[in-house]
Amino acid sequence: QVQLVESGGGVVQPGTSLRLSCAASGFTFRSYGMHWVRQAPGKGLEWVTTISYDGSDKSYADAVQGRFTISRDDSKNTLYLQMNTLRTEDTAVYYCAKRGTSGSHKHLDYWGQGTPVIVSS
Amino acid sequence: QSALTQPASVSGSPGQSITISCTGTSSDVGGYNYVSWYQQHPGKAPKLMVYDVSDRPSGVSNRFSGSKSGNTASLTISGLQAEDEADYYCFSYSSINTRVFGGGTKLTVL
Repeated sequence: QVQLVESGGGVVQPGTSLRLSCAASGFTFRSYGMHWVRQAPGKGLEWVTTISYDGSDKSYADAVQGRFTISRDDSKNTLYLQMNTLRTEDTAVYYCAKRGTSGSHKHLDYWGQGTPVIVSS
Repeated sequence: QSALTQPASVSGSPGQSITISCTGTSSDVGGYNYVSWYQQHPGKAPKLMVYDVSDRPSGVSNRFSGSKSGNTASLTISGLQAEDEADYYCFSYSSINTRVFGGGTKLTVL
């Protein structure tokens, strides 16, 4: 069965960096695009970034463009999110999600349980 | 990348039907048939309920259905059950290969 397990979250100060990881299993990781989605406390879901199956295509939300970088290591079946120059408004639970298998593939069919990131001085 | 517009809350009694709307623009909802819907219970990860406007993943009840007209997509839940009480989010592909969520709708089953 598909499993996505995020790690790397924690409490950090504004202006610092953090790297999140998402360990994937139960599917052929190298064949699927992946996403990061976040949810601030008590707020809705916010799409953050996506990477294509081969890593050649990446897109970012305006709120993180230039500060966050998505990457993948297919040899380790792992997705990453490098977050630099963190701001208090980046505080959220960060989810990794797998691109859909059916139809257009423009949806997210499996999600991890999330890892919390708290940016506070 | 403005969030898609959803009603903050909807409610219905068991057995009734409700519809949640999701309004975007011609650059997202109206421009592509790539709208999906997610259910999220408190403290849990989101779950895919509908994709590509009106398709259902295997295992999702046929009480959940989706549609679209112009720049507005809709999720209809028929035969409301207590376990349907949750937050619901629409999600759309947008131009320049980005994505956008709706603000979310809290469904209360009375």
